[in-house]
Amino acid sequence: AQTVTQSQPEMSVQEAETVTLSCTYDTSESDYYLFWYKQPPSRQMILVIRQEAYKQQNATENRFSVNFQKAAKSFSLKISDSQLGDAAMYFCAYRKPYGGSQGNLIFGKGTKLSVKP
Amino acid sequence: DSGVTQTPKHLITATGQRVTLRCSPRSGDLSVYWYQQSLDQGLQFLIQYYNGEERAKGNILERFSAQQFPDLHSELNLSSLELGDSALYFCASSVASGRKETQYFGPGTRLLVL
Repeated sequence: AQTVTQSQPEMSVQEAETVTLSCTYDTSESDYYLFWYKQPPSRQMILVIRQEAYKQQNATENRFSVNFQKAAKSFSLKISDSQLGDAAMYFCAYRKPYGGSQGNLIFGKGTKLSVKP
Repeated sequence: DSGVTQTPKHLITATGQRVTLRCSPRSGDLSVYWYQQSLDQGLQFLIQYYNGEERAKGNILERFSAQQFPDLHSELNLSSLELGDSALYFCASSVASGRKETQYFGPGTRLLVL
């Protein structure tokens, strides 16, 4: 069974600085999707970024980028120019490549990010 | 706003009771997933429906059931509630178009069992 591990329960960053959140996963599949979701105090789950395992290029979305190391089964999230609004729980998630009956997400335990002014 | 709606936002009930949580997916999305978020178990997949049919089951208790109606909204029924059922219940929807499927989450229903 696939598992997702986030080894940093809490992280802190100074406003305008850069922070990296770690995620490792375990799977025997060669094709899959990885996601980072953000959960602010409102509890809404917001998709931050998505990576397709068959693509070697790291995904980027504005200030958010990932470092995807397939051989190491590592998928870290880098937040540049951190803003106060980035403070939230961040969840790493894994999904098999096909939707339908195999499309459920498998989540890590989350990393709570604090941003200091 | 993801376009997925869930009602009610909050629910407080007593042990042994039964509640129904409702989810309306984004327009055009055929697939609905239910997840439970609790302090001890984290975010767990419960069940998935696609176009009215059950597609996959996760860690869903026998006391829980769900269905998806012809208009594609879904309901999660929780019965014989226990204190440990207190959690945030999310529904997520997707087009379920295969590789490119992305799930969009609703705001959740916070259930408190007293």
